[in-house]
Amino acid sequence: KAGVTQTPRYLIKTRGQQVTLSCSPISGHRSVSWYQQTPGQGLQFLFEYFSETQRNKGNFPGRFSGRQFSNSRSEMNVSTLELGDSALYLCASSRQGFDEQYFGPGTRLTVT
Amino acid sequence: TQLLEQSPQFLSIQEGENLTVYCNSSSVFSSLQWYRQEPGEGPVLLVTVVTGGEVKKLKRLTFQFGDARKDSSLHITAAQPGDTGLYLCAGNKAAGNKLTFGGGTRVLVKP
Repeated sequence: KAGVTQTPRYLIKTRGQQVTLSCSPISGHRSVSWYQQTPGQGLQFLFEYFSETQRNKGNFPGRFSGRQFSNSRSEMNVSTLELGDSALYLCASSRQGFDEQYFGPGTRLTVT
Repeated sequence: TQLLEQSPQFLSIQEGENLTVYCNSSSVFSSLQWYRQEPGEGPVLLVTVVTGGEVKKLKRLTFQFGDARKDSSLHITAAQPGDTGLYLCAGNKAAGNKLTFGGGTRVLVKP
């Protein structure tokens, strides 16, 4: 069974640009969550999508947004990038959202 | 302030020694998960504990969930270099997947 895949794996962007990251969950999983990981703040929850609806949201500014498609694939978008947005962005999938989460390898975003 | 406090932050031991990582909170969690993460990769789920007082064993790893479901520990017996990594605990408080992670414990097992 294929695991969670994320594309791209690495990305370099300039301050002020926007970026879109993609996540394909494990087949049959309907919940996708996004996390930001930085050395200073650790792993922080961004948002969760279930059946194309945002069900939970963390404490991030509106520049961070996401969506989920009917096939459960999800994208997150960050607009007007700041240097502090440099991080490893991880997505995780689970069957229903109340059970175990499985993480992808992450997208390493560097903002210069 | 981390909702979940992990200790220690860093642990360096020799191969064959035992180690324990702690995960503490003032909040009650419906479940708690332990992950191991290697550099440049996503966290890999090791175990989920749900019931207060629960003990789970995974080969040389033993996981405990506190009776009040506020704390947990991970014990590794006879550690091996392959156990090296960042160990993360994460708690789930409510419906939906909104995991709160601890700050992590970086474990280095030297051969």
